[in-house]
Amino acid sequence: QKEVEQDPGPLSVPEGAIVSLNCTYSNSAFQYFMWYRQYSRKGPELLMYTYSSGNKEDGRFTAQVDKSSKYISLFIRDSQPSDSATYLCAMSARSGNTGKLIFGQGTTLQVKP
Amino acid sequence: DTGVSQDPRHKITKRGQNVTFRCDPISEHNRLYWYRQTLGQGPEFLTYFQNEAQLEKSRLLSDRFSAERPKGSFSTLEIQRTEQGDSAMYLCASSRSGRERDEQFFGPGTRLTVL
Repeated sequence: QKEVEQDPGPLSVPEGAIVSLNCTYSNSAFQYFMWYRQYSRKGPELLMYTYSSGNKEDGRFTAQVDKSSKYISLFIRDSQPSDSATYLCAMSARSGNTGKLIFGQGTTLQVKP
Repeated sequence: DTGVSQDPRHKITKRGQNVTFRCDPISEHNRLYWYRQTLGQGPEFLTYFQNEAQLEKSRLLSDRFSAERPKGSFSTLEIQRTEQGDSAMYLCASSRSGRERDEQFFGPGTRLTVL
């Protein structure tokens, strides 16, 4: 079993829809939770960074972390065709302070005009 | 801030050849990471440097792989005797320790194809 599980999709939604992306994890030591966006053949770009449990909002994006359930989510409101990309969740335990990231498989999102 | 750069962006090589990739991190970043990403998967951690010291290596990093960061600035990743299974995107990321948020910024990657 992988440390981080993410539904690979693909997920197709109409423009303006609310999108929900999710990851589950097994390592209770994870404390830092991130969402990256990756366009085709590009490097990942950091979207959201969250420490421990709770919600964080940035524009159309909201990240939620529920450590008790080992579950994190990313919500995208008023989705746009430019949001079409692969979304990767990533986590870090900071054990030994290496800060290495453990990624999910990535969910491919397509927003249709 | 010019971001993380990687060179080359694409590399096609024949099985058995050696290849070397370069990563230039964001200038004030002392931490540097290498990840490998295969098609349809998320990036997997390979190795980590803090300044010039290589502090962690993944079990994924076989003896054919070696990474250096000689002056604590740019880094190189060399793969010897390449195999078809080495075909992947090799990503470099950098961050700055001591900050509250240890955000890793990724470069555009080097796509390796082994024929």
